[in-house]
Amino acid sequence: AQSVAQPEDQVNVAEGNPLTVKCTYSVSGNPYLFWYVQYPNRGLQFLLKYITGDNLVKGSYGFEAEFNKSQTSFHLKKPSALVSDSALYFCAVRDIASNYQLIWGAGTKLIIKP
Amino acid sequence: DGGITQSPKYLFRKEGQNVTLSCEQNLNHDAMYWYRQDPGQGLRLIYYSQIVNDFQKGDIAEGYSVSREKKESFPLTVTSAQKNPTAFYLCASSGRAISSGELFFGEGSRLTVL
Repeated sequence: AQSVAQPEDQVNVAEGNPLTVKCTYSVSGNPYLFWYVQYPNRGLQFLLKYITGDNLVKGSYGFEAEFNKSQTSFHLKKPSALVSDSALYFCAVRDIASNYQLIWGAGTKLIIKP
Repeated sequence: DGGITQSPKYLFRKEGQNVTLSCEQNLNHDAMYWYRQDPGQGLRLIYYSQIVNDFQKGDIAEGYSVSREKKESFPLTVTSAQKNPTAFYLCASSGRAISSGELFFGEGSRLTVL
């Protein structure tokens, strides 16, 4: 079965430091991978996606993600964290078996401390 | 401005009552979705619709019903048969082929059963 795992419930980073939010996946076939961000009591916003091509994908708000096929990972990164990056981050993978619906990770709460 | 409008933002319901959550989009998107979000569980798909007058059950459709009479509208009814309806409900839409995976979300509706 296809699945997505976000192994950390919470990640704490000091402002200005680099951040990484981890995501691993299990799919049959080539993965379509996504990152979304959710601010408190709001809907989700699309950040970036990987379909094919370069393993390093650039997205909104200075975020990027690195696709690693051998490690089945798609970690979200940012070189220098801002306090305003504090939010809930979701990784998702497209599920061909379920008519292309997205399978979602449980989310990782990112806290950036001043 | 184009977007997705969910209403109401907050809703309280007594046990045994049906409630309907509204979702309207002016993005001219074909596909619309309803998700349920509970703390620590990510998003779970309730229903989705790829075209007017057609919809499919997601992973947790029991106790919910939907209709898609207009392209712009996809209301969700939480019936009294839903055992644990207290949750945050998110409506989303996608305009490209369903396989693209990029979703646009509304701001959510928080339902509390008293």
